[in-house]
Formats: sequence, C-alpha cells, structure tokens
Amino acid sequence: DAGITQSPRHKVTETGTPVTLRCHQTENHRYMYWYRQDPGHGLRLIHYSYGVKDTDKGEVSDGYSVSRSKTEDFLLTLESATSSQTSVYFCAITQTGLGDEAFFGQGTRLTVV
Amino acid sequence: GEDVEQSLFLSVREGDSSVINCTYTDSSSTYLYWYKQEPGAGLQLLTYIFSNMDMKQDQRLTVLLNKKDKHLSLRIADTQTGDSAIYFCAESTFGNEKLTFGTGTRLTIIP
Repeated sequence: DAGITQSPRHKVTETGTPVTLRCHQTENHRYMYWYRQDPGHGLRLIHYSYGVKDTDKGEVSDGYSVSRSKTEDFLLTLESATSSQTSVYFCAITQTGLGDEAFFGQGTRLTVV
Repeated sequence: GEDVEQSLFLSVREGDSSVINCTYTDSSSTYLYWYKQEPGAGLQLLTYIFSNMDMKQDQRLTVLLNKKDKHLSLRIADTQTGDSAIYFCAESTFGNEKLTFGTGTRLTIIP
C-alpha cells in the first residue's frame, strides 16, 4: 500500500472553530489533493498542490485554505468551521498528476455541530 | 468547467454482467479512470484509458470509450459479491493535472 496517512481519522468540532487536517505521504509524490465526499456529489476537489509552496484552488475551495511547506505534508485548514463543511475528507497523491494512479488516504470524517 | 455524471445506483444479480456508465463534458479530457471505493475506505484505481483508445480489457473488466458522445462505461463480467462498492469515473486533462470525479455509482449484488 502507498504510504499516505490522514490525521485525525475522526473529529467533532463546534461551529466557528478552526480545524486543521493533515495528510502525510512517504512516497515523495509531487502532487497532493484534498477532496470532500458527500452523498450525491461524489468527490469534489477542494485544493491541490503541485509542489512545495505551490497550490491551487479546486471547485469547492471557499472556506478552506491549504499549505505545503514540505513535500510530505499537505495541510487543509477550515478557518471557521460551518455545518456545511461536515463531510468525509480524502487526501490523494499522484506522481505526475496525469495518467498515473492516484493513491488515497483512508479519509477523515469531520462533523461540525 | 469539467462535469462528470453517473447514475447513483445499480443492482445486478450475482453472476450477471454489470455495466456502469459515465458521461463527461470536457472534450479535451486526456485520461479517463475507474476507481472503486469499498465501505469505510479510500478509492482504489481499477483501470484507466487514454483518450485515443476506444476499448481496454483487463480480466473481468472492459472499458469502452465513445469520445464522440463523451461516454465511458465499465463492464464487470461474472459479477461477484466482492464487487459490491461505489464506482467512480474520473477524468484528467493534459496541462491541467487535477482529477475530476463523477458522483459515483453504488453497485449492489443480488444473490
């Protein structure tokens, strides 16, 4: 299995609090992605990174920020969590970003109450 | 922007063939993928097809691509209970290295 871990695996937080999710890889892959999975919507891209300090927005980036200070870590931050951000969050990595396999973490279930 | 659509549910009898369909809107899509998600897990790549191909076969899996209609399908022959999962199609485009996923199709196997 590809070395990719997400932490925490589960989190319950209150509306208005900041939350940071971590994705850590040991594969030295260049591309890292954050998706959210919601029923009826599939996986929607939040942000992605194509290198250290190089990030770009996905289709649902409002309310989220990311940082990548090292190749192996990609952090997703919810500055002020809202109930609409209750979801399952997946991190993924790819080597070239095109035509190769994306490896996924196990997911983080976030509940905002 | 890119849009990838799938039916949400499919039920198939054990031993029959399953056909999962996907339509996409981005005519410049370069690669199209099928991923499988089992309960409580992340996604795993099943197969992918380059846009200049119209068919790819891998054991029980057959992928058909109709580029003119922007239609992708995944056929699973001799469907087994272990094939129960959510299946996602996805696409990526040369020069735009982000994977766009469909809504996912939940495949249920009827004994």
